[in-house]
Amino acid sequence: TQLLEQSPQFLSIQEGENLTVYCNSSSVFSSLQWYRQEPGEGPVLLVTVVTGGEVKKLKRLTFQFGDARKDSSLHITAAQPGDTGLYLCAGFNTNAGKSTFGDGTTLTVKP
Amino acid sequence: DTEVTQTPKHLVMGMTNKKSLKCEQHMGHRAMYWYKQKAKKPPELMFVYSYEKLSINESVPSRFSPECPNSSLLNLHLHALQPEDSALYLCASTPRWDRSRSFGNTIYFGEGSWLTVV
Repeated sequence: TQLLEQSPQFLSIQEGENLTVYCNSSSVFSSLQWYRQEPGEGPVLLVTVVTGGEVKKLKRLTFQFGDARKDSSLHITAAQPGDTGLYLCAGFNTNAGKSTFGDGTTLTVKP
Repeated sequence: DTEVTQTPKHLVMGMTNKKSLKCEQHMGHRAMYWYKQKAKKPPELMFVYSYEKLSINESVPSRFSPECPNSSLLNLHLHALQPEDSALYLCASTPRWDRSRSFGNTIYFGEGSWLTVV
């Protein structure tokens, strides 16, 4: 089984702070996605990274894909209460023909 | 706004009831999925349909019965469920699905159907 370890599991910070969420695996993924899910809603795609070493920015969010395509990180600068939600990483497992999800990071940003 | 629409958004059913969840997408995607999600946990894959054919069944109990009438529609028929089946059921789609390739594997999720079994 191809595992994707996501950390931290829970994160509670004050508005304006920075944070980083990590997704790590011992296996190589052909691509990796990050999603954000708000309570009562389905996950919404934030970004897809496909190239080792790739860095993508989405406003205050910075995504990195490791050189070996085994790990990824999400960095949020100056977090806002609207960033609150469940953050999920998912990597496609070509052996199983399906995406493997990390366990998720529940982020709470307090005003 | 998501382009994968699910109905109903909320469903309460008894353990002897028969109900169905419905999903529709108009993005021209040829792969559709059902996921089950418990609170603050990642989605768990249940079924994958590719070109209207069932390609993956993750050993889901037979009380869940999927159906794909055409490439845009996906149903999940529910019968004799248990209280532990209460969860958020997510429909999703991707442009294509191929067991050995990763193309088109960005998953587009619907907003989900909240199911409560009493």
